[in-house]
Amino acid sequence: DVVMTQSPLSLPVTLGQPASISCRSSRSLVHSDGNTYLNWFQQRPGQSPRRLLYRVSNRDSGVPDRFSGSGSGTDFTLKISTVEAEDVGVYYCMQGIDFWTFGQGTRVEI
Amino acid sequence: EVQLVESGGGLIQVGGSLRLSCAVSGFTVSGHFMGWVRQGPGKGLEWVSVISGGGKTYYADSVKGRFTISRDNSKNTVYLQMNSLRAEDTALYYCARVSDSWGQGTLVTVSS
Repeated sequence: DVVMTQSPLSLPVTLGQPASISCRSSRSLVHSDGNTYLNWFQQRPGQSPRRLLYRVSNRDSGVPDRFSGSGSGTDFTLKISTVEAEDVGVYYCMQGIDFWTFGQGTRVEI
Repeated sequence: EVQLVESGGGLIQVGGSLRLSCAVSGFTVSGHFMGWVRQGPGKGLEWVSVISGGGKTYYADSVKGRFTISRDNSKNTVYLQMNSLRAEDTALYYCARVSDSWGQGTLVTVSS
């Protein structure tokens, strides 16, 4: 099984400041097709998860450009360039190379 | 507009069975990977089961042999048959098009 490990698990942030979440996988997420199957999700309080980024760095429709993703192989990062109040919630990374598994989640709070 | 609407959750005793349904509009389920993700009270997200466009099925080890995913193309609906339910299956169950569209979830509570 591919294990996804996020850090930190809790991230106090300041409005207008940047924030960063790390995600590490127990094996490479590079598929034989050349793609890297690592997604990022946001779950606001009381809401369903929403995908923000797919294949490491591709933003989904409607996702603000203050969200960006980077990384390769087994190490990945989600960055928020300037945190806004609506960014409060829990963020999950997810691998899609062997079944599908999420990280434990990182709670972002002001 | 893409919509996924789950139903079928409820309160059930340990050892019982439930069938969850996910009615989809805006796309055809047979053309996509579709799955169920659950979230226990105060916990993170866990993929439970997925069905591919070709009908291949996948299960988390925690539910293998107890849960069955299926779909009805004529109804554009995905199902999750859950048997031999355990207290630890208590969760909000989300239907998702892997992984870009999600429903609002249906709550399953397994009581001893």
